[in-house]
Amino acid sequence: GAGVSQSPSNKVTEKGKDVELRCDPISGHTALYWYRQSLGQGLEFLIYFQGNSAPDKSGLPSDRFSAERTGGSVSTLTIQRTQQEDSAVYLCASSLSPSPTGGRYEQYFGPGTRLTVT
Amino acid sequence: GESVGLHLPTLSVQEGDNSIINCAYSNSASDYFIWYKQESGKGPQFIIDIRSNMDKRQGQRVTVLLNKTVKHLSLQIAATQPGDSAVYFCAIGGNMLTFGGGTRLMVKP
Repeated sequence: GAGVSQSPSNKVTEKGKDVELRCDPISGHTALYWYRQSLGQGLEFLIYFQGNSAPDKSGLPSDRFSAERTGGSVSTLTIQRTQQEDSAVYLCASSLSPSPTGGRYEQYFGPGTRLTVT
Repeated sequence: GESVGLHLPTLSVQEGDNSIINCAYSNSASDYFIWYKQESGKGPQFIIDIRSNMDKRQGQRVTVLLNKTVKHLSLQIAATQPGDSAVYFCAIGGNMLTFGGGTRLMVKP
């Protein structure tokens, strides 16, 4: 079956512009996660969704970042007034469940969107 | 809160040797542990997992060891190959998965 897909794969934008990044999770996965990965660094958690709601937004770095999920499926991460420090790879992952309800809950990752702010 | 650390940011091994990548965690209530592999330009991919009721689990050329006493997790790769070159992340499960900082494995031919 299809894995997690993300679009665009690459995005170059000018400082101050808004960008939208899209994630299509694996069908049937209720949990969806956004991470940011700067060059050569680890994964920085941004936000996760259970269904359409976001119980944990603690990782969003500023109020310029927002995310939504509709129909329990596709999610969009929006960055307003982009800054150069926003340049990174944005990874999306999905899992059957976000918590250990007796089963495995490994996250499956998409290929990421590489955002470059010039 | 959970904190996850890695002992070595970069590990260089000779092709054919065994590799050991380590991960420390702080929350003794953690019950699920995963190792991911991330190749250049790709998202992390699941390698192997282990639950807290086990201390060892083996896959194809990989073994995960869990020492709950010292809260330490390791990934062992047997007969390391050039294709194993990647960044390896441990992920610790509690309420959610928390990812460690990553170790870059470099395989010398």
